[in-house]
Amino acid sequence: AQSVAQPEDQVNVAEGNPLTVKCTYSVSGNPYLFWYVQYPNRGLQFLLKYITGDNLVKGSYGFEAEFNKSQTSFHLKKPSALVSDSALYFCAVRDRLGYQKVTFGIGTKLQVIP
Amino acid sequence: DGGITQSPKYLFRKEGQNVTLSCEQNLNHDAMYWYRQDPGQGLRLIYYSQIVNDFQKGDIAEGYSVSREKKESFPLTVTSAQKNPTAFYLCASRGDSPLGTQYFGPGTRLLVL
Repeated sequence: AQSVAQPEDQVNVAEGNPLTVKCTYSVSGNPYLFWYVQYPNRGLQFLLKYITGDNLVKGSYGFEAEFNKSQTSFHLKKPSALVSDSALYFCAVRDRLGYQKVTFGIGTKLQVIP
Repeated sequence: DGGITQSPKYLFRKEGQNVTLSCEQNLNHDAMYWYRQDPGQGLRLIYYSQIVNDFQKGDIAEGYSVSREKKESFPLTVTSAQKNPTAFYLCASRGDSPLGTQYFGPGTRLLVL
């Protein structure tokens, strides 16, 4: 069975500082990995995904994520946080076999402090 | 929220009542999904459909039913058998490519009166 762990319920960071939201995964074979963001009472918005190739993936709104196969991690990063980045962030994994079910983490609330 | 619409935004259910949540997409996607979101539990898969006239149970299908008569539409019915229906319901669709990304609708919040 595949799984995703987001070990931090909440991450607080000062505006202008770098941010990291952590994600580790477990899946058979090579994974597809995703990050989504959710603002209050809204649907999830796609940020970025890792399929293959470069371990550093760049996405929307200045976010990037680093795939580390040996540590089975896919941490989300941004060099300089904005107050408007405050939201709920979800990591997701999908296997490459069969139906390709997507499994989501429980989410990490990012709070950027002015 | 792309080309996926969900209605209504808020829905109230009385005890013993079935209610239907609408999901429509104009992305020409074959695959569609329904998730339930509860605080602290992330997203849980209720049902999914990979093609018209076919759908499969997800992890928490009990008390729910779906239909997929048209490619664009994947309505979810919350039946009276679902004893704890209060949640935020999200519909998603995905393109045909194995590399395809899921795109989500804006969600429907279901509350019990």
